[in-house]
Amino acid sequence: GDSVTQTEGLVTLTKGLPVMLNCTYQTTYSPFLFWYVQHLNEAPKLLLKSSTDNKRTEHQGFYATLHKSSSSFHLQKSSVQLSDSALYFCALSHGSSGNKLIFGIGTLLSVKP
Amino acid sequence: GALVYQYPRRTICKSGTSMRMECQAVGFQATSVAWYRQSPQKTFELIALSTVNSAIKYEQNFTQEKFPISHPNLSFSSMTVLNAYLEDRGLYLCGAPGQGYAEQFFGPGTRLTVL
Repeated sequence: GDSVTQTEGLVTLTKGLPVMLNCTYQTTYSPFLFWYVQHLNEAPKLLLKSSTDNKRTEHQGFYATLHKSSSSFHLQKSSVQLSDSALYFCALSHGSSGNKLIFGIGTLLSVKP
Repeated sequence: GALVYQYPRRTICKSGTSMRMECQAVGFQATSVAWYRQSPQKTFELIALSTVNSAIKYEQNFTQEKFPISHPNLSFSSMTVLNAYLEDRGLYLCGAPGQGYAEQFFGPGTRLTVL
């Protein structure tokens, strides 16, 4: 069945450093991949999305490239800020999933001064 | 723009009682609505996918008997948590798809606390 794997549960970084949060997926369908960010006590908000192979997508300093050859959609930022501290979820959908999302377990990003 | 509202934002109920939550789509037609639950320290689990004029599809471990859903029109859906217990605590989200990417617009969620 469909699945999303996020390997890091917690990533702790100092402000200004680069970050990469891993996301790999499994599906037999043509995928749509998403990154959602959830701040404390809030609902998740869409950060990035892509269904195009090998095309970088960017938003608010974050970027990711869908690589279908490796089934990956890693989230990156060149310089993290304190306000980036949040839970990040990678999610998968496809046309045959009936508009439902399959979420990864989430990665907590903690940025220190 | 497309917005999804959820009511109430927070609720507390006693163990064994039931609680109804609502979801409203504004600015677009929610032909389908997905209900998710985020339990403490966990990711989002899909409870069910509801499509207007079609049967509601529940995921494994979730049933209509426990989480009855109503989706009477293209802008409104409600879900009830019947006989709520501690394991039902969490943030309940409703999501409705936008165009194109199968992206979902999420409401702010209903946070359920069970005493």
